[in-house]
Formats: sequence, structure tokens, C-alpha cells
Amino acid sequence: ELQLVQSGAEVKKPGESLKISCKGSGYTFTNNWIGWVRQMPGKGLEWMGIIYPGDSNTIYSPSFQGQVTISVDKSISTAYLQWSSLKASDTAMYYCARISTLSRPIFDYWGQGTLVTISS
Amino acid sequence: EIVMTQSPATLSVSPGERATLSCRASQSVSSNLVWYQQKPGQALRLLIYGASTRATGIPARFSGSGSGTEFTLTISSLQSEDFAVYYCQQYSHWPPITFGQGTRLDIK
Repeated sequence: ELQLVQSGAEVKKPGESLKISCKGSGYTFTNNWIGWVRQMPGKGLEWMGIIYPGDSNTIYSPSFQGQVTISVDKSISTAYLQWSSLKASDTAMYYCARISTLSRPIFDYWGQGTLVTISS
Repeated sequence: EIVMTQSPATLSVSPGERATLSCRASQSVSSNLVWYQQKPGQALRLLIYGASTRATGIPARFSGSGSGTEFTLTISSLQSEDFAVYYCQQYSHWPPITFGQGTRLDIK
């Protein structure tokens, strides 16, 4: 069964760093791009960026370029989203999602989400 | 950046009735449009891609139509499990990939 399993909820303080993860299974992880999507409380979906696990090629949304880092460890089929200095406005649910084998940015499988709460 | 606008924000429909959700693009996206379903506590689900192609395992009561700037998701006979939030997303001109703000489908 194809799955994307994300790491658990996090509570952090402003200024702290954080790295959340998304582990793929049930398919060849290096063959499909993985994306990250933010959902702020009560709001819609915002695309943050995508990474190709085969060669770590990464494309960021202009809105998130320089604000986060997307990376991957293909040896353990895991993608990451990290912050070096969190802000209260980073409080949100973060989803990873796989881009389909159609190779168009269509997200065919999603993780369950990681809730990140930033509070002093 | 292409802006996606969904309407209405909330739609109240009775079980067994038809629901029609709309999505408009600020410029033509051809047929490069996706619909997703989001339910509380569940992973998002791909429903429709290419504006009208049902994803694997999606019931036939879900259908998508449109091209260019105007798109519609129709659920022909609402089941209890269909009450959720629905998002459209364009993949014609990216980056960035852009989503609509969502339509909440409520039980009337």
C-alpha cells in the first residue's frame, strides 16, 4: 500500500529551528517528485515547493523561497521541510504529497499532515 | 501568478441531491485542473485531474467539466461521506502551483 507518513505534531518557540519529515513507502521513492503544502488555521492550501528524490532537484514557490529548506534522504525514502528560525506565523498544518507518475504537478497521494505550533 | 477563485465558499445540500461547485482561473489554464477532497483527520484525496478525468477509485457520481477559465465539479447524488471541503488546483502555469480557497460542502 502506498503511504506517506509524516512526523508528529511539534510545539516550538519563535526563533527555534525545526525539521519535519515525510516517509514514503509502497512505491519507488526516487521516481516521483514530493511536494510540501501549508494550511494555516482555517485557511486554504498553499504550495511551498517540490523536490525530486532522485537528484534532489528542488523548486520553491516564490512565497517560500528563502523561508524554508526542502531536502531528501533517498536512502531512507524520506523528505524533509525545515526552518532555521521559526515565527508565530509559521503555525500551520503542513502536508507532504507525491506528484503522480503523469509528471505533471498533480498530487495523487498525501500525508496525514504535521501540525506545527509556534508560541512563546 | 494564476489566481484560482472558488464559489460558493459554503454550499448546503441535502443527501441524495446534486451539488455543483465552481472554480475560476484568472487566465486560461486549458484543462490543467485538479480537484481534491479534504475531510477532517484524513489525508487529502485526489478526485479529478485534467479537468474531467476521475482518479483511480473515485466513484462515478463525481464528475468534472470545463476548460480555459471556468470549471465545475459535480457530485450527482450526495452521500454522507461526500460532505467535506473541496479544492481546485491549476498546473498549467507554474511555479507557483496555485489552489482555490476551497468550498465547504455542508449537509442541509
